[in-house]
Amino acid sequence: DGGITQSPKYLFRKEGQNVTLSCEQNLNHDAMYWYRQDPGQGLRLIYYSQIVNDFQKGDIAEGYSVSREKKESFPLTVTSAQKNPTAFYLCASAADTYEQFFGPGTRLTVL
Amino acid sequence: EDQVTQSPEALRLQEGESSSLNCSYTVSGLRGLFWYRQDPGKGPEFLFTLYSAGEEKEKERLKATLTKKESFLHITAPKPEDSATYLCAVWGSQGNLIFGKGTKLSVKP
Repeated sequence: DGGITQSPKYLFRKEGQNVTLSCEQNLNHDAMYWYRQDPGQGLRLIYYSQIVNDFQKGDIAEGYSVSREKKESFPLTVTSAQKNPTAFYLCASAADTYEQFFGPGTRLTVL
Repeated sequence: EDQVTQSPEALRLQEGESSSLNCSYTVSGLRGLFWYRQDPGKGPEFLFTLYSAGEEKEKERLKATLTKKESFLHITAPKPEDSATYLCAVWGSQGNLIFGKGTKLSVKP
């Protein structure tokens, strides 16, 4: 089945710890995106990549980092510099830059 | 500034009671308006893309329409399984999707 997978489904982070969220797609899409979703707010763009080895900051990139070494993979690292990381994180991909398809999400909680 | 506003924030319907959700947008040069459905704890599921005023698309009990300033998602004779949060987004002038905060729909049997 073609689709987008995210792992883990739930993730717990201690203060001062970096954690990495995985996003993989087998749709052969060029573009991939990371969003953050908080209660009562719309999805906010963290980072996006339109091609391998290239990525751009979104609206809320501070405290996050990404890499795009393979077309299929776009991992997101939440660093200790992100002061309020508790949120639902969503990865998406698109064949062009318009219709985006989302993965199931990772819920990150700070202990 | 690009902006998307959805109303109402929450909508409660009885099964079979038709209604509409609104998405108002401000963007220079619309390059696409998107509707998604999101169930609790899950990623958004793509529903429709609309590109130009007057365009309509349908899927089962859902029908999306577009004008120059807003889009409506009409729900005809809804069922409890239609309960979800419906998200609207537009392609912004900075080259990314701008999302509204969503409308939470509850359909009671």
